Amino acid sequence: EVQLVESGGGLVQPGGSLRLSCAASGFTFSSYEMNWVRQAPGKGLEWVSYISSSGSPIYYADSVKGRFTISRDNAKNSLYLQMNSLRAEDTGVYYCARDGSVGWGQGALVTVSS
Amino acid sequence: SYELTQPPSVSVSPGQTARITCSGDALPKKYAYWYQQKSGQAPVLVIYEDSKRPSGIPARFSGSSSGTMATLTISGAQVEDEADYYCYSTDSSGNQRVFGGGTKLTVL
Repeated sequence: EVQLVESGGGLVQPGGSLRLSCAASGFTFSSYEMNWVRQAPGKGLEWVSYISSSGSPIYYADSVKGRFTISRDNAKNSLYLQMNSLRAEDTGVYYCARDGSVGWGQGALVTVSS
Repeated sequence: SYELTQPPSVSVSPGQTARITCSGDALPKKYAYWYQQKSGQAPVLVIYEDSKRPSGIPARFSGSSSGTMATLTISGAQVEDEADYYCYSTDSSGNQRVFGGGTKLTVL
């Protein structure tokens, strides 16, 4: 069974940083492209970032480019999202997900507020 | 930036056919995917690569794509199908991923 478990969410002040992790199990992680997707409270899904199975190429949404960094460690079956210079509009639930395939995590809540 | 356009809401009676559309300029060349999200839950993939159904998804869910429009069809919609539905695809370069704005399906 595909399992994705996010961690690292929490409350952070504007301008602060946070690192999300996603632990994968139940499938061959190194064979899959992965995404981070977020959802602001009461809003729709927003794609944030993509990373290929090997780690390159990497793509970002314009709204996070230059502030967020996606990475993966295939040896540890883990996906990461380093978030810097956080803004109030970055608040939401962050999901890791296999690209175009079955399998999403339960989400990690990130709240950016003073 | 690339956009996928969906109607905000669709409403049908139980047993009727629900159709949710998704329009985007790159859809003639790029696959569409459909996700179902029930309140308070993570999204679930219901259609991938325009028309394929993952294991465990009921056969009443089907997908099609023609030109710049992809369509999710729920034949004989049931009350438990009430949810938000999102289409997902990429721009023509394949670099930027994007979700449609979402469609709230009401079955009553």
